[in-house]
Amino acid sequence: EIVLTQSPATLSLSPGERATLSCRASQSISVYLAWYQQRPGQAPRLLIYNASNRATGIPARFSGSGSGTDFTLTISSLEPEDFAVYYCQQRHSWPPITFGQGTRLEIK
Amino acid sequence: QVQLVQSGAEVKKPGASVKVSCKASGYTFTNYGMHWVRQAPGQRLEWMAWINPGNGDTKYAQTFQGRVMITRDTSASTAYMELNSLRSEDTAVYYCARDLAGITPHWGQGAPVTVSS
Repeated sequence: EIVLTQSPATLSLSPGERATLSCRASQSISVYLAWYQQRPGQAPRLLIYNASNRATGIPARFSGSGSGTDFTLTISSLEPEDFAVYYCQQRHSWPPITFGQGTRLEIK
Repeated sequence: QVQLVQSGAEVKKPGASVKVSCKASGYTFTNYGMHWVRQAPGQRLEWMAWINPGNGDTKYAQTFQGRVMITRDTSASTAYMELNSLRSEDTAVYYCARDLAGITPHWGQGAPVTVSS
């Protein structure tokens, strides 16, 4: 099973700042990585798929990069609605699909 | 538009079973797989299983093998997840999510399941 490790666990930033979230896979997953945002009490929302492709309707301030084992989600300028928990997910070799443990993005 | 509407909250006793439904609309149900993912309080998302509604093929996470069954009713465009031998650790929100080659762009609203004596 492929293990995904996200860092940091919590990121404290202010609106307007740049956020950089990381996800590391226990083995190469090519570009088969997605990022999800989850707000309290809501279902996850797909942001990025195949490492760098924005999903439909996702603002351009969200971008993804990486391949192999190291991936990054960048939010260029934080809006108030961006403060949430972010998960990475791999589908390189499933079953099982696996998720990271999440990064909580909180307002500083 | 794609909609996945799940059944409501459930409270079950340890050892019981729960069956959660997921009614799909806005697309051809048999053309896309369906994943089931759960999230225990404060925990990460955990993939449970997948079904191909077109032919009924299923895949299960090893953690749940023998305890979970995914079925579908194509006439009702509905997928079902049944989890048996419930224990307190199964307390979670259970989600269905439409598959797109392992990506899940569409999710149900979640069905909370509480296991308590």
